[in-house]
Amino acid sequence: IAGITQAPTSQILAAGRRMTLRCTQDMRHNAMYWYRQDLGLGLRLIHYSNTAGTTGKGEVPDGYSVSRANTDDFPLTLASAVPSQTSVYFCASSESQGDYGYTFGSGTRLTVV
Amino acid sequence: AQSVTQPDIHITVSEGASLELRCNYSYGATPYLFWYVQSPGQGLQLLLKYFSGDTLVQGIKGFEAEFKRSQSSFNLRKPSVHWSDAAEYFCAVVAGTMFSGGYNKLIFGAGTRLAVHP
Repeated sequence: IAGITQAPTSQILAAGRRMTLRCTQDMRHNAMYWYRQDLGLGLRLIHYSNTAGTTGKGEVPDGYSVSRANTDDFPLTLASAVPSQTSVYFCASSESQGDYGYTFGSGTRLTVV
Repeated sequence: AQSVTQPDIHITVSEGASLELRCNYSYGATPYLFWYVQSPGQGLQLLLKYFSGDTLVQGIKGFEAEFKRSQSSFNLRKPSVHWSDAAEYFCAVVAGTMFSGGYNKLIFGAGTRLAVHP
């Protein structure tokens, strides 16, 4: 593993189903982030974590939850998926919450039908 | 509220031509500004950043950007574009304490997709 690994790469999900997007980093970065990317809207911050054990809400947190049990993992859960959550999801990390040179994963393309 | 605007959704240039991608921000104080590039199917990669000091900053891959406070702009430039520069480019600004816990986070523009003709 080098950098950030996201899984799955892509997924088609039935509406109403629960889904967890996985994100793992091997850089020992303290801060981690989840963004969604939608055409014409750029990237919008869903949730973030400044350090293990803490999380915070971003611009568009509704319908999503996160946890940060350790430094390396930052899973994003959709409790009951809806079609408006169809998007490309990017996980990112930085050494600290004041370091803005984010490292991004390759993304998860999620389609909710 | 803090925001960043990229007026051009798509830009097409010929290989070898010069390039300028526009970015305008809305922020009361001196912002922290960034340009990221996203190649197809990939995550974002940091090209360059401006925090303070010299208003002309150099980045990777031959890119540079100039901070102009009077115009609230941070335009990205490259003197000679290569076919491999075809990608989507995002300008970003560090927002103020708009999120819970009072921490600053990156806010991205909608992106400019660059196509390069041979």
